[in-house]
Amino acid sequence: RKEVEQDPGPFNVPEGATVAFNCTYSNSASQSFFWYRQDCRKEPKLLMSVYSSGNEDGRFTAQLNRASQYISLLIRDSKLSDSATYLCVVSRSNDYKLSFGAGTTVTVRA
Amino acid sequence: EAGVVQSPRYKIIEKKQPVAFWCNPISGHNTLYWYRQNLGQGPELLIRYENEEAVDDSQLPKDRFSAERLKGVDSTLKIQPAELGDSAVYLCASSFVAGAGGELFFGEGSRLTVL
Repeated sequence: RKEVEQDPGPFNVPEGATVAFNCTYSNSASQSFFWYRQDCRKEPKLLMSVYSSGNEDGRFTAQLNRASQYISLLIRDSKLSDSATYLCVVSRSNDYKLSFGAGTTVTVRA
Repeated sequence: EAGVVQSPRYKIIEKKQPVAFWCNPISGHNTLYWYRQNLGQGPELLIRYENEEAVDDSQLPKDRFSAERLKGVDSTLKIQPAELGDSAVYLCASSFVAGAGGELFFGEGSRLTVL
């Protein structure tokens, strides 16, 4: 079983729509969680960290459910520029190893 | 401030040939990572350095891959000999310290095609 699993999508949504997707992780000892964004043929970039209490950054909301071992990302009022692959990343506290999911592709259409 | 610099951006070689990738991390970043990303997959760690020391190379195929980080700054990743399955994007990343809030800064990657 992979450490981090994501629905690959693609999620095709119209501008202005809300889109949400999850990521599950297998290691219950995982301590830190992140969402990275990767544009086509570009490098990954940190989008946001995911805190236990949930957190927002503008139109983006991240949630963590430790009991069920998943994190989620919600994008409100989608923009064309939100089209990208969103990588779920999980870190172990003992060795700081970051494990990346395969990514969820979101395409926002006009 | 300059980001992580990698070269070459693209490399096409025939199988069994050697290839090397170079990475210059962000100034002051002690932790350097080499990842491999296959099409449709997330990055997979090959090796992580803390300064000059390779602290995690468990995923590095040591029969054909080697890496070094002399003086704790630049790093080189080498494949010899290359195989068809090595075709991928090789990403270098750096962070100030390991874990550092999880923020890794990636270079643009070196896209390798093995024919």
